[in-house]
Amino acid sequence: QVQLQESGPGLVRPSETLSLTCIVSHYSISKNYYWAWIRQPPGKGLEWIGTVYPGGSTYYSPSLRSRVTISVDTSKNQFSVKLRSVTAADTAVYYCAREDRNAFDYWGRGTLVTVSS
Amino acid sequence: QSALTQPPSASGSPGQSVTISCTGTSSDVGGYDYVSWYQHHPGKAPKLMIYEVNKRPSGVPDRFSGSKSGNTASLTVSGLQAEDEAEYYCSSYAGSNNVFGTGTQVTVL
Repeated sequence: QVQLQESGPGLVRPSETLSLTCIVSHYSISKNYYWAWIRQPPGKGLEWIGTVYPGGSTYYSPSLRSRVTISVDTSKNQFSVKLRSVTAADTAVYYCAREDRNAFDYWGRGTLVTVSS
Repeated sequence: QSALTQPPSASGSPGQSVTISCTGTSSDVGGYDYVSWYQHHPGKAPKLMIYEVNKRPSGVPDRFSGSKSGNTASLTVSGLQAEDEAEYYCSSYAGSNNVFGTGTQVTVL
């Protein structure tokens, strides 16, 4: 059973960079599949952040494209997201997920990141 | 990219059926057969219930079904059970993007 686990700081200062890593277990990230980041602000709905393919292709939400980078490290079987110049609006539960045929079939449990000084 | 439109809430008694709509445009829902649905209980990871409009992953009860007509997709939950009470989200491919719906809270009366 594929398992994903998010890790990273739970508190980020405004204007700084949010960095999270997703460790994938029981499946080689270098095989066929895409890997995605999704977030949910408090009291709001799900928002797709972006997707990476281990071959190097990346796809980002138009609203976040100028601030986000998603990368993959096949040697560590993990992928990461960096979101620059954060504000309070970036406070959310961040999920990593596996993407298959444009559906997210395995998810991490999510990690809350709060942007506050 | 705007979020897909879902009704804020839906409800039904145990054993009844409830249908949730998900309205987009020809650039997302109407343009691709890549609509998926997720069940989300508070504090837990979302769970994939339907993919590619009407396909169920292994382990998802056949009480859950999906369909699409034009720019609107739908999820029907038949034979409602208490454990079906949750937030439901649709999602669609939108040409190098993915977009989620606004979410629907399903209440089992």
